[in-house]
Amino acid sequence: EPEVTQTPSHQVTQMGQEVILRCVPISNHLYFYWYRQILGQKVEFLVSFYNNEISEKSEIFDDQFSVERPDGSNFTLKIRSTKLEDSAMYFCASSDATDISNQPQHFGDGTRLSIL
Amino acid sequence: LAKTTQPISMDSYEGQEVNITCSHNNIATNDYITWYQQFPSQGPRFIIQGYKTKVTNEVASLFIPADRKSSTLSLPRVSLSDTAVYYCLVGDGLNYGGATNKLIFGTGTLLAVQP
Repeated sequence: EPEVTQTPSHQVTQMGQEVILRCVPISNHLYFYWYRQILGQKVEFLVSFYNNEISEKSEIFDDQFSVERPDGSNFTLKIRSTKLEDSAMYFCASSDATDISNQPQHFGDGTRLSIL
Repeated sequence: LAKTTQPISMDSYEGQEVNITCSHNNIATNDYITWYQQFPSQGPRFIIQGYKTKVTNEVASLFIPADRKSSTLSLPRVSLSDTAVYYCLVGDGLNYGGATNKLIFGTGTLLAVQP
């Protein structure tokens, strides 16, 4: 079964540094998402992306965050200047828009981001 | 998106059938009901989705009464490996061009399966 893959599995970064989290969505999917989960808390929506542009973003997704689909397979989340509170699991998800009656999002196993 | 309410935790034993009920009193006409499973340090995994009546796949069954104000996820003969958090989500399963289908997760139900 095709799956969403994320790299790295764990990223440790100094506060103030830039970090890029990478995702390879399922190949025929058209909608892409980033979520995050702070330890012990709920999974929170960050941003959705379709047709090479952001469709929707949450309040968490401020100017320090950006997303990009640099080629036909990768989908990246960049945090420009990381803060301690950015420490969390970051999940990428994708969904298939062709079947409008059943579009579950498929998640990767996440990148654990630790800010020191 | 309709709000959902589900028990915070449930306990079960191996081999038992587990039913987790979710309330969604304000479900809209176009909303689908979707259940996800999450193991520690892993991403949510899609289990099952339905609109009305009953849906069954190789993993679970989903029962939805006629008024659709609740739904029940049924896991047959659970094993220790079914210990996880189970999320019930309700939302519009349709994408209108550039519109999105962001998922709003609650706290879920922590299912603990014991030997």
